[in-house]
Amino acid sequence: AQRVTQPEKLLSVFKGAPVELKCNYSYSGSPELFWYVQYSRQRLQLLLRHISRESIKGFTADLNKGETSFHLKKPFAQEEDSAMYYCALSGIQGAQKLVFGQGTRLTINP
Amino acid sequence: EAGVAQSPRYKIIEKRQSVAFWCNPISGHATLYWYQQILGQGPKLLIQFQNNGVVDDSQLPKDRFSAERLKGVDSTLKIQPAKLEDSAVYLCASSHPMSNEQFFGPGTRLTVL
Repeated sequence: AQRVTQPEKLLSVFKGAPVELKCNYSYSGSPELFWYVQYSRQRLQLLLRHISRESIKGFTADLNKGETSFHLKKPFAQEEDSAMYYCALSGIQGAQKLVFGQGTRLTINP
Repeated sequence: EAGVAQSPRYKIIEKRQSVAFWCNPISGHATLYWYQQILGQGPKLLIQFQNNGVVDDSQLPKDRFSAERLKGVDSTLKIQPAKLEDSAVYLCASSHPMSNEQFFGPGTRLTVL
C-alpha cells in the first residue's frame, strides 16, 4: 500500500532555530518523493523533489530508503517559512497521482 | 504562463442538491487531476485524466460523483446528490505527461449544509 505519514500536525520553532519536518512513507517499488508547501491564501506549490537534489529557500530533504524517510530540514528558520507543508509520493514514471501526508503546519515565532 | 484556473472559488449548498466545479489546466498539460481535501487531511486523488481518457478513478465515489474532460482541455467535476461529508476543498492540478510535477489551482471550497 502507498502511504505517507507526517507525525506532527503542528510544529512551532523560533526564528533562527533549525527546523525539521518529518515524513515517512511506504511504497512497493521506487517512489519519487516531494515536499509541497501552501502559504497563507496561496495555492499549493512544489517546494522540492528528491530527484532534483536542490536546496530551495534554504530547505533540503534527503531520501533515506533504509528508513523510508524524506525529512525536510532548514538550519535557520525565517518568519516567512510559516506555512502548511505536505510530503507526497508518486511512482517514478511521469504523470502519476500524488499520495499526500496529512500535512504539518509550521509556525515560526519571532 | 497562466496557472490552473478553477471556478467557483466557494460554494454553499444543502445536502441532496447538486453542484459542479470547473477546471482549466495549464496550456499544453495533457494530464489533469481532481483531488478532494477534507479539513485536516492531505489531498486525495479522485480522478486522473490523460487527454480526454480516464487513467485512474478508483477512489471516485461513482454513485454520486462524475467527471468529464470531453475535449481534452478543461474539465468538470459534478456531485449529485451532495452529502454532508462532501464538504471539502476540491483541487484541480495539471502536469505535462512526462513529468511528475503537478501545478495546482486555487481550489473550490464546498460547504454542504
